[in-house]
Amino acid sequence: DTGVSQDPRHKITKRGQNVTFRCDPISEHNRLYWYRQTLGQGPEFLTYFQNEAQLEKSRLLSDRFSAERPKGSFSTLEIQRTEQGDSAMYLCASSKTVNTEAFFGQGTRLTVV
Amino acid sequence: KNEVEQSPQNLTAQEGEFITINCSYSVGISALHWLQQHPGGGIVSLFMLSSGKKKHGRLIATINIQEKHSSLHITASHPRDSAVYICAVRLHSQGGSEKLVFGKGTKLTVNP
Repeated sequence: DTGVSQDPRHKITKRGQNVTFRCDPISEHNRLYWYRQTLGQGPEFLTYFQNEAQLEKSRLLSDRFSAERPKGSFSTLEIQRTEQGDSAMYLCASSKTVNTEAFFGQGTRLTVV
Repeated sequence: KNEVEQSPQNLTAQEGEFITINCSYSVGISALHWLQQHPGGGIVSLFMLSSGKKKHGRLIATINIQEKHSSLHITASHPRDSAVYICAVRLHSQGGSEKLVFGKGTKLTVNP
């Protein structure tokens, strides 16, 4: 098993552009979580999936953000009309059940210029 | 006030020293995680605790549910232990929330 992988690792985009990130969880992990981390802060919860169902969304997830996990395997996080405040590290994690440890990806660092 | 508070924010130690990082939380939890984050962003799960104490190599994690407090100890610290250590809790929620709430992290630097 190669662990949780995220793509791309880094993304620089101009304000107003759309970006999409991908997360491939560990196979057989039915829970998948997205978090956002800004400099000097701990990660903040964005949303999570159990299989293909999106079960919880944070109030941080504005209308410009959308996440999908169409077949219950990989997930995508799209940000439309990016703003400078969206600059952050976007982390994905997966776990087998709610009571088992979560495994994190390396993150996608987004810079909006 | 954050639901999860860590102390200290920054910690510098000499190689070989015993390190303690503290985490206090103000809400009911179902589990507490200790995580390690190296420069570049990758996060590694160290421990998941719901009671008592766990040990893995030179790392020891304890939790006191009544006092809403956990500690992470590193024995015989080494420069390769330099990283940010993050405490995260899963809230005990009747609504079934599974999200983790994170502390801001403790930046540890171990000098040779």
